[in-house]
Amino acid sequence: EVQLLESGGGLGQPGGSLRLSCAASGFTFSSYAMSWVRQAPGKGLEWVSSISASGGNTYYADSVKGRFTISRDNSKNTLFLQMNSLRAEDTAVYYCTFGGGMGFDYWGQGTLVTVSS
Amino acid sequence: SYELTQPPSVSVSPGQTASISCSGDKLGDKYASWYQQKPGQSPVLVIYQDTKRPSGIPERFSGSNSGNTATLTISGTQGMDEADYYCQAWDSTTNYVFGTGTKVTVL
Repeated sequence: EVQLLESGGGLGQPGGSLRLSCAASGFTFSSYAMSWVRQAPGKGLEWVSSISASGGNTYYADSVKGRFTISRDNSKNTLFLQMNSLRAEDTAVYYCTFGGGMGFDYWGQGTLVTVSS
Repeated sequence: SYELTQPPSVSVSPGQTASISCSGDKLGDKYASWYQQKPGQSPVLVIYQDTKRPSGIPERFSGSNSGNTATLTISGTQGMDEADYYCQAWDSTTNYVFGTGTKVTVL
């Protein structure tokens, strides 16, 4: 059974940093590109970032480019999102997700990030 | 940047058909996916590659994509189908893009 377990959310200060993790199991992690998608309270889904299976290619939404860094450790089946220079508008539930057919087949339960002083 | 537009809400009577549109420039040239999200839950993929249903998704969910519009159709809508629905496409310049979302109410 595929499982994606996010952690690392919580309260962050404006201008501060947080690091999200996503522990994956039940599939060959190193064979799949992985992504982060977020959802602000009461709002829609927003793609944040993706990383290729090997980790050699990374992609970011304009809203987070230069502030967030996606990475992965294929030896530990773990996906990361380093979030720097946090803003109030980064407040959201962050989902770890992946898929094979140009869609996202599997989603974690999400971790809530709140940016506030 | 690439944008996908959906109607904010759709209402349907039980047993009837609900259609949700998703509009974007030359969307028919891309693959569209659809997600169902119920309150407090993670999204669930219900359609991928325009028309395909993942394992476990009921046959009453179907999709199409042509021109500038992708459509999710729920035939014989049930109360359990009440949820928010999001379309999604992939574009080479903006990567993954989600639609604005549609709240489906089963009256």
